[in-house]
Amino acid sequence: QQQVKQSPQSLIVQKGGISIINCAYENTAFDYFPWYQQFPGKGPALLIAIRPDVSEKKEGRFTISFNKSAKQFSLHIMDSQPGDSATYFCAPGASGSRLTFGEGTQLTVNP
Amino acid sequence: KAGVTQTPRYLIKTRGQQVTLSCSPISGHRSVSWYQQTPGQGLQFLFEYFSETQRNKGNFPGRFSGRQFSNSRSEMNVSTLELGDSALYLCASSVQGHGYTFGSGTRLTVV
Repeated sequence: QQQVKQSPQSLIVQKGGISIINCAYENTAFDYFPWYQQFPGKGPALLIAIRPDVSEKKEGRFTISFNKSAKQFSLHIMDSQPGDSATYFCAPGASGSRLTFGEGTQLTVNP
Repeated sequence: KAGVTQTPRYLIKTRGQQVTLSCSPISGHRSVSWYQQTPGQGLQFLFEYFSETQRNKGNFPGRFSGRQFSNSRSEMNVSTLELGDSALYLCASSVQGHGYTFGSGTRLTVV
């Protein structure tokens, strides 16, 4: 499914650093832009989501930046911690329709 | 508040057999979606049910089917299992559409 392209595939960050993961999409009908976090042996968990009427949303150390004209949105993790080490997925969707998952980014935060 | 419950957690089946997986959504959630997760293909949408009706369907062969009961519990069935069906099968529920909460999944191994 090339509708959603996520980058990078893997990311290594030092504790306290900033982690940035990007997601590009093609479907202009998407109106819901979430990021999911998945730990080994668990299902994905909703981390943060944004609607297209705002350009940025912040929840604690996690921020979504949304660029509608470029059809891109990104996840920023400030003050990254070893406990943030997980796989992150963008999964945009359209109202009443399914989520389309990106390929995932494996984040490792070194202590 | 109980989360999404999937049973069984692990399953080993032989090629050609069939399997039924179960999902109990969060109380009050009427939408249930199923996803297949594999290392090679990532998270792929199987189908979504809302109020016992299939609302969306992904690009999987007819061997994959599902249903939803009046209490919103859902089952998915895979007939004539193939080795390539080995995957983590995830169920997610929501009130209506987005904001999905995922279960921990059923790990299916076909031998």
